[in-house]
Amino acid sequence: DMKVTQMPRYLIKRMGENVLLECGQDMSHETMYWYRQDPGLGLQLIYISYDVDSNSEGDIPKGYRVSRKKREHFSLILDSAKTNQTSVYFCASSLSLGGLSSYEQYFGPGTRLTVL
Amino acid sequence: GDSVTQTEGQVALSEEDFLTIHCNYSASGYPALFWYVQYPGEGPQFLFRASRDKEKGSSRGFEATYDKGTTSFHLRKASVQESDSAVYYCALGENNYAQGLTFGLGTRVSVFP
Repeated sequence: DMKVTQMPRYLIKRMGENVLLECGQDMSHETMYWYRQDPGLGLQLIYISYDVDSNSEGDIPKGYRVSRKKREHFSLILDSAKTNQTSVYFCASSLSLGGLSSYEQYFGPGTRLTVL
Repeated sequence: GDSVTQTEGQVALSEEDFLTIHCNYSASGYPALFWYVQYPGEGPQFLFRASRDKEKGSSRGFEATYDKGTTSFHLRKASVQESDSAVYYCALGENNYAQGLTFGLGTRVSVFP
């Protein structure tokens, strides 16, 4: 069963704390993404990873960094979280870059992060 | 840069009503167009795509036709059910594939029995 998992599903942190969001996929997809979703702003791309240790900034990378050491895992890190990073974060994956299948993204269930 | 505009932010319908969500895009190239659906508590799911002018995409009773002349990809369904209540996203992808999808802001569809 093709699946993208995210952990944790809910997280509450205080401003200034570090945050680690984890994502896994079992489809051997090369490309993975991190998005955030906010009311009125839709889905905004934070980072893309084309494969292990091959990452690229998306539209809103400031305040975030990523790590991908295995093809099936992609982490989003917030060093010293800020209140404006309160959001729902989605991870997604897709087949290899190139061709329309690259755009058929499989999304995880999301992580709701609250920064107090 | 590329952009996608969904005219309706929210739509409320009764079961068996006809659904239309308007989607217009702006892109420098000849993009592929997509519809995604997001059910409550879940991530978005790919619904269907179209990549050429006049191509029709469809899935689960939903359909949309790529119209390069009017830069549109309107979503339609002839008879909605309560289970169609969700947020629908129109998106585009440029042919370089390097930057992923550009999503519209979404349209929340509520279908009442």
